Amino acid sequence: ETGVTQSPTHLIKTRGQQVTLRCSSQSGHNTVSWYQQALGQGPQFIFQYYREEENGRGNFPPRFSGLQFPNYSSELNVNALELDDSALYLCASSWGPGLATHNEQFFGPGTRLTVL
Amino acid sequence: ELKVEQNPLFLSMQEGKNYTIYCNYSTTSDRLYWYRQDPGKSLESLFVLLSNGAVKQEGRLMASLDTKARLSTLHITAAVHDLSATYFCAVDMDSNYQLIWGAGTKLIIKP
Repeated sequence: ETGVTQSPTHLIKTRGQQVTLRCSSQSGHNTVSWYQQALGQGPQFIFQYYREEENGRGNFPPRFSGLQFPNYSSELNVNALELDDSALYLCASSWGPGLATHNEQFFGPGTRLTVL
Repeated sequence: ELKVEQNPLFLSMQEGKNYTIYCNYSTTSDRLYWYRQDPGKSLESLFVLLSNGAVKQEGRLMASLDTKARLSTLHITAAVHDLSATYFCAVDMDSNYQLIWGAGTKLIIKP
């Protein structure tokens, strides 16, 4: 059984650019959640994908968008990058509604994004 | 709006001592999760607490949940240096399987 993987590990971009982060979910999981974690803070929920549909969104602007593919892997896209977007982006996979009675999430190693 | 508050936010303690981290949340939920994060690393699931009165133990860590008080505790017994990390609690939003997180407790255990 493979765990959650993310790519790339680190990324440096400049303001105004666009970025795509990738996540492969753990085997058997059909739900992926994305989080932004600024330095010294707890994770902030961006959105969740369940069976290729967005299943909830946190307080993030529309320039944060995502996709989930038939194999349940996922992408996070951020357009028009701002300095405040610098953070660790975490992807978590879980058994979604109907497969589990709770929401224990398993996290990938994260992508460290730096916006200059 | 669901809020999750942890305290203390920072804790420095000596090896061998006992201490408790508290996690309060503001609305009804009977699913609470504890995670550990080492510096620069991802989050590791420690405990899943699914009902009032649930208690789980792993090594020197014990977590409990009181849904009536909306309180969970993470108790550390006879701390060792390897337990130094940041500990987060997270609460399930029943309606849509989102997790709302506390700010984390940074624990430093001095040899």
